[in-house]
Amino acid sequence: KNQVEQSPQSLIILEGKNCTLQCNYTVSPFSNLRWYKQDTGRGPVSLTIMTFSENTKSNGRYTATLDADTKQSSLHITASQLSDSASYICVVSPRNNRLAFGKGNQVVVIP
Amino acid sequence: GAGVSQSPSNKVTEKGKDVELRCDPISGHTALYWYRQRLGQGLEFLIYFQGNSAPDKSGLPSDRFSAERTGESVSTLTIQRTQQEDSAVYLCASSSGVEAASHTEAFFGQGTRLTVV
Repeated sequence: KNQVEQSPQSLIILEGKNCTLQCNYTVSPFSNLRWYKQDTGRGPVSLTIMTFSENTKSNGRYTATLDADTKQSSLHITASQLSDSASYICVVSPRNNRLAFGKGNQVVVIP
Repeated sequence: GAGVSQSPSNKVTEKGKDVELRCDPISGHTALYWYRQRLGQGLEFLIYFQGNSAPDKSGLPSDRFSAERTGESVSTLTIQRTQQEDSAVYLCASSSGVEAASHTEAFFGQGTRLTVV
């Protein structure tokens, strides 16, 4: 079983609407969690990083939350734009072990 | 270089031919990952290298796939006798491997888009 599960696998949203992506993980002990954005034809780039002691982090219209007790993170996109169409990948960094990658959430924003 | 470099960026090959994909990690990064993304699908783990340890090859889909890495340098992913289902983007990522650090980050390459015709 994958240590990082993301949901939904894909979603379509109307421009201007909000959406929330979920990342559940089983990695323990935990060091940090990152959300990456992958535009079509590009490599993923880091959006946010949170350590175990942080529970929210914003980057413009992107807000990530973390609940280390329930091992859940979410990425909220506010007032979506067409440029938000991308894959969003959750990557968890355990202590003293290799990184654990989610499969990604595919977001399509339509006008 | 400043980032993870993959080459070629695009590759079109005929079914049955062999292909070799290259990944240049960030200098000093001991950990290197290969992932595959089929069209419309999520990341699929292929192989993981950590320093001079034995690689985790558990994600390689068949014996037509192999990967090598010497020390902490370049890695090559080889696909023999390519099939149409091998068509995908192949992503490489590297990290410092110092997983206890709070700032550990995976740096991704741009990917190689492989099309088997």
